[in-house]
Amino acid sequence: AQSVTQLDSHVSVSEGTPVLLRCNYSSSYSPSLFWYVQHPNKGLQLLLKYTSAATLVKGINGFEAEFKKSETSFHLTKPSAHMSDAAEYFCVVSDNAGNMLTFGGGTRLMVKP
Amino acid sequence: DAGVIQSPRHEVTEMGQEVTLRCKPISGHDYLFWYRQTMMRGLELLIYFNNNVPIDDSGMPEDRFSAKMPNASFSTLKIQPSEPRDSAVYFCASSLDPGLYGYTFGSGTRLTVV
Repeated sequence: AQSVTQLDSHVSVSEGTPVLLRCNYSSSYSPSLFWYVQHPNKGLQLLLKYTSAATLVKGINGFEAEFKKSETSFHLTKPSAHMSDAAEYFCVVSDNAGNMLTFGGGTRLMVKP
Repeated sequence: DAGVIQSPRHEVTEMGQEVTLRCKPISGHDYLFWYRQTMMRGLELLIYFNNNVPIDDSGMPEDRFSAKMPNASFSTLKIQPSEPRDSAVYFCASSLDPGLYGYTFGSGTRLTVV
């Protein structure tokens, strides 16, 4: 069975500094991986996805993630945080059949002015 | 496309009452998922459908919860009778191919049972 672990439940950065949200996955196959963002009192929005093409994936709002098979990681990064990036971020892995997704526990990103 | 549409956006009901949450998936999406989100338990998968057929309902908390998908454009999640511990945000999501495209989520229904 597949699983995903988000290594930090909370991350705090200052505006204008880099963002790093860490995610490790476990899978017996080559999975698809996703990052979702949830702003306060909103639904979940797809940020980016990896589906076995380029290992460096670019998403919306300047975010990107790199798939590293040897490290079983899919960390989310952004060069410069903005106040509007404050939200909950979920790392997600697909199952073997591609029928459903497993969500990590989430990382709450706080951005200080 | 209007996206995944959920109704109502907010629901306040008294304990013991029946509650029905509604979802209209994106046209052409064969998969539909119901999730519940709370501060304590995070995001939980309740049930999912493929081509209107329930595939996995192992996340449904108990017999008070039931979900139906009578056609490709409509699904309901019913709680009868409701209890205060059912208070949560309930999300519906749909997908054409989860492994390839991920899910598209609705805006959610915030349920408060008093």
